[in-house]
Order: sequence, then structure tokens, then C-alpha cells
Amino acid sequence: ETGVTQSPTHLIKTRGQQVTLRCSSQSGHNTVSWYQQALGQGPQFIFQYYREEENGRGNFPPRFSGLQFPNYSSELNVNALELDDSALYLCASSRSRGTSTDTQYFGPGTRLTVL
Amino acid sequence: AQSVTQLGSHVSVSEGALVLLRCNYSSSVPPYLFWYVQYPNQGLQLLLKYTSAATLVKGINGFEAEFKKSETSFHLTKPSAHMSDAAEYFCAVLQGAQKLVFGQGTRLTINP
Repeated sequence: ETGVTQSPTHLIKTRGQQVTLRCSSQSGHNTVSWYQQALGQGPQFIFQYYREEENGRGNFPPRFSGLQFPNYSSELNVNALELDDSALYLCASSRSRGTSTDTQYFGPGTRLTVL
Repeated sequence: AQSVTQLGSHVSVSEGALVLLRCNYSSSVPPYLFWYVQYPNQGLQLLLKYTSAATLVKGINGFEAEFKKSETSFHLTKPSAHMSDAAEYFCAVLQGAQKLVFGQGTRLTINP
């Protein structure tokens, strides 16, 4: 059983650019959640996708958007990058939407630096 | 809304000593609580979770946590620290059906 994978590992962009981060969920999982972890902070929930539909969103502006594909992999897109977007972006997959015992399994993250 | 507070951003213990990492929660409904560990330059790994089945929860790597409703706490313990336990530890509560709300984290340092 393969775990959650993310690409790329590191990324450097300049302010105003757009970025796409990718996540492959764990085998058998149909739900993907994205989190932003700023340096020295705990992860913050961005949004969750379940069967290709957005299923909950945190306090992030619309320039943060996502997609989930039929194979349950996912993308996080960020437009008009700002310096404060520099962070570790974590993807987590789980087996089904929202039951209390579902565990979210995290990938290794993508480190985004905005200059 | 549910939240968690981790007391102590940095904890340092000697190898072989007891590890105690503190987490208090705020929730108007029975909470579902988690502890995750993050090693340098890595993602989060689940240590253990509380889902109301038993108040003492055993996890991986010898860690355990006890849910105490009267104290609104979910502290993480390990009887004997090992050098490999050095990492960042996050307590989290499940909010609604989708969202994990994390604490600020506690960095654990192990002294030889």
C-alpha cells in the first residue's frame, strides 16, 4: 500500500506568480485535505475534496483553489502569490468523508518559498 | 468551534526520562482528538487518536495519552525518552466532519 505522495518537494516563486502543487492519495482513499503550515506554526486547514467536489473550506481567500481527479489525486492552485504564502503545504488523504474515526494520513509536504 | 492549546512550545528531557507533552481542548461536543509527530523536513505522522472508545489511548513508539473530560486535557506521555523521539509534536481536534484544528506544536528535545 503506497502512502501519500506530493510533488514537487521544494518550489521557489516570485510574488504575483501562480503555482500548482500535486498530491497522490493513499490507495483506497477518496478524500483529500490540504493544509498550510507556516514556519513555527501548526497546520491550518485550507479545504477538503471528496469525490471531486469541494467539501469544506477554511479561512483562505479564493485565490487558493483546488481540484480532485477521478483517481482521487488532487491539485492545489494558488494565484497571485504573496510573500505570506511561503509555507509548507501538506496534503492528507482519508478513506471516506467525515466519519469521526477516519484518520488523515499526511504526505511529506511541498515547501513553497515566495520571493 | 473546537480548539486545542499546547502548553509549552519547547520541552527538554534527558534520555530515559518521562516525556509529558500537554494539550488542553475546548469543545462543546465530545471531541475527537489526535496527536501527530513531525520529524524535521517531513510531513505529519499519526501517533494516536481518541474517538471516545477508551480514555487511555496507546499509540506507536511507546506513546500514550489519557482523555480527561474533567480537566479538558489530552496529555501525551512516554515512560522513557529515546533520542529518536526528538521532533515536533502536534495535538489536534476534529472540527465538524472534515477539518483538523491543530495546536501550535511542542518541540521535544532529548538530552543525552
